[in-house]
Amino acid sequence: RKEVEQDPGPFNVPEGATVAFNCTYSNSASQSFFWYRQDCRKEPKLLMSVYSSGNEDGRFTAQLNRASQYISLLIRDSKLSDSATYLCAVNRGRDDKIIFGKGTRLHILP
Amino acid sequence: SAVISQKPSRDICQRGTSLTIQCQVDSQVTMMFWYRQQPGQSLTLIATANQGSEATYESGFVIDKFPISRPNLTFSTLTVSNLSPEDSSIYLCGHRGLYEQYFGPGTRLTVT
Repeated sequence: RKEVEQDPGPFNVPEGATVAFNCTYSNSASQSFFWYRQDCRKEPKLLMSVYSSGNEDGRFTAQLNRASQYISLLIRDSKLSDSATYLCAVNRGRDDKIIFGKGTRLHILP
Repeated sequence: SAVISQKPSRDICQRGTSLTIQCQVDSQVTMMFWYRQQPGQSLTLIATANQGSEATYESGFVIDKFPISRPNLTFSTLTVSNLSPEDSSIYLCGHRGLYEQYFGPGTRLTVT
């Protein structure tokens, strides 16, 4: 099983819709969880950290399910500018290095 | 987070040669990292650049192929040696915040 797994997509979603991504991780010792956004030909940028209690930042909501070892990202009222690749990341646990999933491509359609 | 710059932003190199990538951070940081992102793939950690000691390499990456320097707390270099087309990739340096990872703009390497 890969350390971090994501559905690669692409997700083609009409503008204004709600879209959800899931990401599973294999190491139960992982303690830190993140969602990154990567635009074409750019570096990944931190979108939000994911806390145990779940957290929200505007249209974005992140949740953590430790029992099932997955994190999720919900985007409400999607905008054209949300089109990007979304990477989940977790710390490895044994040495705190951060490892990334392959990313999920999102296309918001006008 | 500290601002990270990388040079060069891109390069095209012939097989068998080497490329050295520079990473500069605008403030002192304890941990610096080098990642690789191959086409259509996610980021793979190459090594941790340690100031004053040898870099710590991940499984599958060796010092002879990817020598790293970290002369001070704001600067690091990664050399990709004996280039082959399989080394064509984006190479990103980064540093850690409290828990999260931040990245420089990346160096896009094409090996012909």
